[in-house]
Amino acid sequence: QSALTQPRSVSGSPGQSVTISCTGTSSDVGGYNYVSWYQQHPGKAPKLMIYDVSKRPSGVPDRFSGSKSGNTASLTISGLQAEDEADYYCCSYAGTNVIFGGGTKLTVL
Amino acid sequence: QVQLVQSGAEVKKPGASVKVSCKTSGYTFTGYYIHWVRQAPGHGLEWMGWINPNSGGTTYAQNFQGWVTMTRDTSISTAYMELSRLKSDDTAVYYCARGGGSPNWFDPWGQGTLVTVSS
Repeated sequence: QSALTQPRSVSGSPGQSVTISCTGTSSDVGGYNYVSWYQQHPGKAPKLMIYDVSKRPSGVPDRFSGSKSGNTASLTISGLQAEDEADYYCCSYAGTNVIFGGGTKLTVL
Repeated sequence: QVQLVQSGAEVKKPGASVKVSCKTSGYTFTGYYIHWVRQAPGHGLEWMGWINPNSGGTTYAQNFQGWVTMTRDTSISTAYMELSRLKSDDTAVYYCARGGGSPNWFDPWGQGTLVTVSS
C-alpha cells in the first residue's frame, strides 16, 4: 500500500495560518473516519495532535484543527508560533493496515 | 504519568536478529494495544504492526509478515519486537506507542531505539 501524499514543505509567518494536505484513496482516507496527525521535532518521538479526523487530545492547543473531504484530509494550524516548526505526518487506517504520509516540514519564517 | 521506555541502541550484522523492549508504566498494560513504528534516517514513519497485551494476539503489516515477531510479558508490563534476517536498509529508529480506541491513535510514544545494521 502506498504512502499518503503530503507536500514536502510548507511555511508561514508567526500569527498566520497554514494548512497541510494529506491525499489518499477511498481505501484509506476516504473510507474511514480514522485520520490522525503527528508532530515530530528533530530527534524526538512523534506526538499525537489530531485523531479521528478532527478530535484533539487533551493538552493540544485549539490552534490545531483537522478536517476531511473525500480522499483528502487537512491539518490547519492557526496563529503560528515558533515552536510549531516541525515535521507533520498524517496517518490513516486502511482496513487491516495503518499507513502514514511522507511527512511535511513546516517552517515558521 | 503514562510512560513507555525502550531499550538502548543496537548494532547488528546483516542476517542477525534484534529484539527491542518497551517497558510501560502509569496505566494498565493489558488495557491498551502496543504498536511498533519505524523511521529510517531522514525518512518518514512506517507502521509495523500491533500486539494486544491482554491476549497476545498480533497483527503485522504486510511488509513485515514472516520476519517480525511481537510478544509481551504481562508480569513486567513490557512489550517486545523482534526483527530477523536484518538487512542494511533495516537501519532505523524503532518506536513503540500505546494504542487507543481508534486503530491509528498512538499516544504516547517511547523514546525510540536506534538499530544499526552494518557489516
